[in-house]
Amino acid sequence: EPEVTQTPSHQVTQMGQEVILRCVPISNHLYFYWYRQILGQKVEFLVSFYNNEISEKSEIFDDQFSVERPDGSNFTLKIRSTKLEDSAMYFCASSEQGVNVLTFGAGSRLTVL
Amino acid sequence: TQLLEQSPQFLSIQEGENLTVYCNSSSVFSSLQWYRQEPGEGPVLLVTVVTGGEVKKLKRLTFQFGDARKDSSLHITAAQPGDTGLYLCAGNYGGSQGNLIFGKGTKLSVKP
Repeated sequence: EPEVTQTPSHQVTQMGQEVILRCVPISNHLYFYWYRQILGQKVEFLVSFYNNEISEKSEIFDDQFSVERPDGSNFTLKIRSTKLEDSAMYFCASSEQGVNVLTFGAGSRLTVL
Repeated sequence: TQLLEQSPQFLSIQEGENLTVYCNSSSVFSSLQWYRQEPGEGPVLLVTVVTGGEVKKLKRLTFQFGDARKDSSLHITAAQPGDTGLYLCAGNYGGSQGNLIFGKGTKLSVKP
């Protein structure tokens, strides 16, 4: 069964460092998303991306965050200068139809020290 | 701010029992989804409901969407240890392009 692949599975970084989380969505999907889940809390929406541009973003997705689809297969989330509170599990998701049918990846755990 | 409340937060039952978990909001959903999440993995979509009053079945799981599209329930018949996991509901409000609002989940444990 097709799946969304995320790398790395776990990244540890120092506060203030830049981090790039990578995702390979399902190949025929057109809609891409990033969500995050801080330990013990709800899954939270960060951003949705369609047709090479951001279609919606949350208040969490401030100027420190950016997304890119550099080569038609990867979908990346960059955090420019990480803070302690960015420590979370980051989930990429993709969809062929839009928000009603999402396939999530296994997540990338980010630990900021 | 839209909120999704799930209840109960924890549920521990014996194999063979039936159970129902609930997802409630004061706001109307455009659509609602149920996911199951295993530790260390991403949520896996079980079902999407769109129409008020809709009932969908997935083997021993029955999902119902409230008539007013503000609440939903998941009923599991004859639970099995393999049903153990975290069940999440997520709502799409106002035709958002991706901003699913998730509940905190119901952690189900089915003992053999």
